[in-house]
Amino acid sequence: GDSVTQMEGPVTLSEEACLTINCTYTATGYPSLFWYVQYPGEGLQLLLKATKADDKGSNKGFEATYRKETTSFHLEKGSVQVSDSAVYFCALSDLRIQGAQKLVFGQGTRLTINP
Amino acid sequence: KAGVTQTPRYLIKTRGQQVTLSCSPISGHRSVSWYQQTPGQGLQFLFEYFSETQRNKGNFPGRFSGRQFSNSRSEMNVSTLELGDSALYLCASSMGLANTDTQYFGPGTRLTVL
Repeated sequence: GDSVTQMEGPVTLSEEACLTINCTYTATGYPSLFWYVQYPGEGLQLLLKATKADDKGSNKGFEATYRKETTSFHLEKGSVQVSDSAVYFCALSDLRIQGAQKLVFGQGTRLTINP
Repeated sequence: KAGVTQTPRYLIKTRGQQVTLSCSPISGHRSVSWYQQTPGQGLQFLFEYFSETQRNKGNFPGRFSGRQFSNSRSEMNVSTLELGDSALYLCASSMGLANTDTQYFGPGTRLTVL
């Protein structure tokens, strides 16, 4: 079945460092890909998404490019801030049922940014 | 627009009891999905409702059930609670028309089973 693998955390960086969180997927067909972020005590917030190969999603300085050839959707940011500390989830949309809203998530990567 | 709301935010139950969680989607959204989040299993899909019909279901026992009302509000029910049902239950809503649709999540209901 479909699956998503993220780099294991936790990841600890200093403020203004560069960030990359790796995400690879296995899926039937060409799913949409998402990055969600979860702050302590809260639900998930959509960070960015890409719906087809070579699309680049971007938001709040974060970027990720849908790479069909490597089945990857790595999350990047050039300069992280303390406020970026959170858990990040990579996810794909299951395509087996047309229109159905089922997301398959990676295990999450906890990011801590130190001042 | 108001976001996805879930009630209650916290629940404490004992083994063997049943529980009902509620979710109100974003206005105009017809799809509501439910997910279970635990430290061990991560985020797992429970089921999805669209226009009052269950359209998709995850691999959970029959103790987990749900329904959707004509105003798109949804409830999920867990009967005969087990300790392992302790989790954060997240509800998400979307237009539900395409697999590319974005799902918007509520803050979750934290269920503790003692």
